[in-house]
Amino acid sequence: ILNVEQSPQSLHVQEGDSTNFTCSFPSSNFYALHWYRWETAKSPEALFVMTLNGDEKKKGRISATLNTKEGYSYLYIKGSQPEDSATYLCAFNRRDDKIIFGKGTRLHILP
Amino acid sequence: DAGVIQSPRHEVTEMGQEVTLRCKPISGHNSLFWYRQTMMRGLELLIYFNNNVPIDDSGMPEDRFSAKMPNASFSTLKIQPSEPRDSAVYFCASSTTGGAGNSYNSPLHFGNGTRLTVT
Repeated sequence: ILNVEQSPQSLHVQEGDSTNFTCSFPSSNFYALHWYRWETAKSPEALFVMTLNGDEKKKGRISATLNTKEGYSYLYIKGSQPEDSATYLCAFNRRDDKIIFGKGTRLHILP
Repeated sequence: DAGVIQSPRHEVTEMGQEVTLRCKPISGHNSLFWYRQTMMRGLELLIYFNNNVPIDDSGMPEDRFSAKMPNASFSTLKIQPSEPRDSAVYFCASSTTGGAGNSYNSPLHFGNGTRLTVT
């Protein structure tokens, strides 16, 4: 993996269901992996910054895991709510402080 | 904490004109990043500074683009001459990092962006 890749590009989930999506990143020159939430007409806001292999972080119904050896991270949302509709971005933070974003997963919560 | 402040919020200009985008990072943050958001490419890193010094400008599209950070509280991104394909939303973000090989666990804090339209 040379770039930061996120999948799926877009996702429709019924309210109340749980969901997850993936970020893949280069396994070399790794320092940290960031997750951001980006609502329409706003700016991206940080959810998590993770640095250690096996890291798990949680904020309310949202959690994330990190595997630096294989170069992937998962973001989980439990019991989706309408306010979870947003684009979720991951970003690869290299050791030289360069921070490169994936194109995001656009999440739509259906009422 | 006033957050990262970008100006202007919107800029409409004609092809060939010079455009200057401005950014004031969060006080105490020592790294500043300029990104460009387009539908095709997502958030592209253009350039980033650490302690006011440009570290990597490999994302700057071409010589028409230049960026400066004369002090810790101000940065500009200039496009001269502007072209229609430069139309995009330009974001500035700041954070606290330790410099090459010594990063902290600090997320980026984004400004509200400048929407540039070149006709």
